[in-house]
Amino acid sequence: DIQMTQSPSSLSASVGDRVTITCRASQGIRNDLAWYQQRPGTAPKRLIFAASSLQSGVPSRFSGSGSGTEFTLTISSLQPEDFATYYCLQHNTYPFTFAGGTKVEIK
Amino acid sequence: EVQLVESGGGLVQPGGSLRLSCAASGFTFSDFPMTWVRQAPGRGLEWVASIKQDVNEKSYMDSVRGRFTISRDNSKNLLYLQMNSLRAEDTAVFYCARDNKLDYWGQGILVTVSS
Repeated sequence: DIQMTQSPSSLSASVGDRVTITCRASQGIRNDLAWYQQRPGTAPKRLIFAASSLQSGVPSRFSGSGSGTEFTLTISSLQPEDFATYYCLQHNTYPFTFAGGTKVEIK
Repeated sequence: EVQLVESGGGLVQPGGSLRLSCAASGFTFSDFPMTWVRQAPGRGLEWVASIKQDVNEKSYMDSVRGRFTISRDNSKNLLYLQMNSLRAEDTAVFYCARDNKLDYWGQGILVTVSS
């Protein structure tokens, strides 16, 4: 199975900060990676697909990069509504695997 | 507008069975693979199973293979997850999601396995 490792597992940041979250795959997954945002008590929402493509309707402060085994989600200027948990997912090979998530909290 | 609505959750005793349904609308259901994902209380997301448009092609996570069955009825726009031999560790919110790229998700349904 492909293992997905996400870091950090949590972070504290202020409104306006630039935030970077990293996901590493245990083997190459091309660009078969998506990023999700989950607010408490709600379903996950896809932000980024194909590693770097922005989902329609998602603010442009979110961006993704990477290919192969290393991927990054960047929030260029953190907004109050961005405090949530973020997950990456590899859908290259079954079983699909999510990383453990990054909880972004208010400093 | 794509909509996915799960139903069929609830409280079940260990060893029991439950069937989840996911009603799809706003897209051509038969054109897309479909997926179930779960999230145990306070934990992360876990892919459970996927089914291709061709209902004969299915994939499962190891811990549910042989106990859970994913299926679909393209004539009714319904996705199912039949869960047998349920264990306490299956307690989770179950989400259905469109495609094997999981672009749209339902609101989730809680399954609690407890005596």
